[in-house]
Amino acid sequence: SQKIEQNSEALNIQEGKTATLTCNYTNYSPAYLQWYRQDPGRGPVFLLLIRENEKEKRKERLKVTFDTTLKQSLFHITASQPADSATYLCALESRSTLGRLYFGRGTQLTVWP
Amino acid sequence: SQTIHQWPATLVQPVGSPLSLECTVEGTSNPNLYWYRQAAGRGLQLLFYSVGIGQISSEVPQNLSASRPQDRQFILSSKKLLLSDSGFYLCAWSLALTVRNTEAFFGQGTRLTVV
Repeated sequence: SQKIEQNSEALNIQEGKTATLTCNYTNYSPAYLQWYRQDPGRGPVFLLLIRENEKEKRKERLKVTFDTTLKQSLFHITASQPADSATYLCALESRSTLGRLYFGRGTQLTVWP
Repeated sequence: SQTIHQWPATLVQPVGSPLSLECTVEGTSNPNLYWYRQAAGRGLQLLFYSVGIGQISSEVPQNLSASRPQDRQFILSSKKLLLSDSGFYLCAWSLALTVRNTEAFFGQGTRLTVV
């Protein structure tokens, strides 16, 4: 069966450290992989998109890597701040079902001062 | 700029009652439209997907239906709600397949509690 697994439900780190979140997928051939941020009671907000032929993408303090051999994406937040505390969702769009976006359960990140 | 409106923000409905949630998008044409549900402690589950007026794809069998009567309007309905329909419902849109960037833009969500 198809799965998108974010292997940490919760991650707690100290301010200033780098947060690393993991997304693994099974039985998908993703054309794109995306990361979203979701705050409590709100809809997810897009952060970064990486394509199947890209290894790494950066945006300010955010970095995403994509390894189609390992079937894994890593999401890094450097110099983390308490304002980065939120749930981060991994989503992918498969080549066989373009336009449909499937999400993992998310990892709740807490950055403490 | 594009905006997405979803209402109501919260809803409490008795079991067996009907449901209608509405979502509208402004500032874009021919968007892909989505309905997701997020149950407590679970991820976003794709319920329905639409590429155009009257074109609806259902992802999972369920007690819900969707309609797209206009290009930028997407409606989620049920004739008789079940307790298991409780959850956080999110509408989203993205650009059509011919455009490379396919990020999704979400509404603020509707918190539905079936009692």
